Amino acid sequence: GAVVSQHPSRVICKSGTSVKIECRSLDFQATTMFWYRQFPKQSLMLMATSNEGSKATYEQGVEKDKFLINHASLTLSTLTVTSAHPEDSSFYICSARTGRASYEQYFGPGTRLTVT
Amino acid sequence: DAKTTQPTSMDCAEGRAANLPCNHSTISGNEYVYWYRQIHSQGPQYIIHGLKNNETNEMASLIITEDRKSSTLILPHATLRDTAVYYCIVRVVNNAGNMLTFGGGTRLMVKP
Repeated sequence: GAVVSQHPSRVICKSGTSVKIECRSLDFQATTMFWYRQFPKQSLMLMATSNEGSKATYEQGVEKDKFLINHASLTLSTLTVTSAHPEDSSFYICSARTGRASYEQYFGPGTRLTVT
Repeated sequence: DAKTTQPTSMDCAEGRAANLPCNHSTISGNEYVYWYRQIHSQGPQYIIHGLKNNETNEMASLIITEDRKSSTLILPHATLRDTAVYYCIVRVVNNAGNMLTFGGGTRLMVKP
């Protein structure tokens, strides 16, 4: 149980285009989803927290107009990187959390974004 | 959440026990110790967690000192597939406003 998937696993896009990454909780309802970014040889950095049906809360330094997050249902959250630039190339990881018990977080496999 | 301190890297021989330390001297009474690992280019994988008693599951054992200011994750028989970055995190559970915050972790290299 508690499986989180991401799609796509890898994406290459040209500078200036937008890319959408999907995060799904496959066997549970996720009231909260988190988006992390990880640069090579660095730790995971939290970008934003989203609750189903409400606006995402962004961490300091993360541009909300550049990283659009939609959490329209209890099993799906999307991250859209708008007008991507090479410096946005990174490993993006989502995490989903149930709304009950110990509020455990479950992680997706990650999406490798390369902007050329 | 309380901050944790871990060695940057460690080596371990295949088949031997890997003991990964973590200091969390400012841990609060209601904070649990969690361990995750991240194999290269994958998402973090939950390993184990505990409050004050030692814990064991099919993956590892967690030893927490009596004062709870430090802990050790033990992989009893390390394999090459255990090569990963191991993160020690302390967090409050049963708190909707609380998410996992990752530090630098320990890069464990299991060698043949």
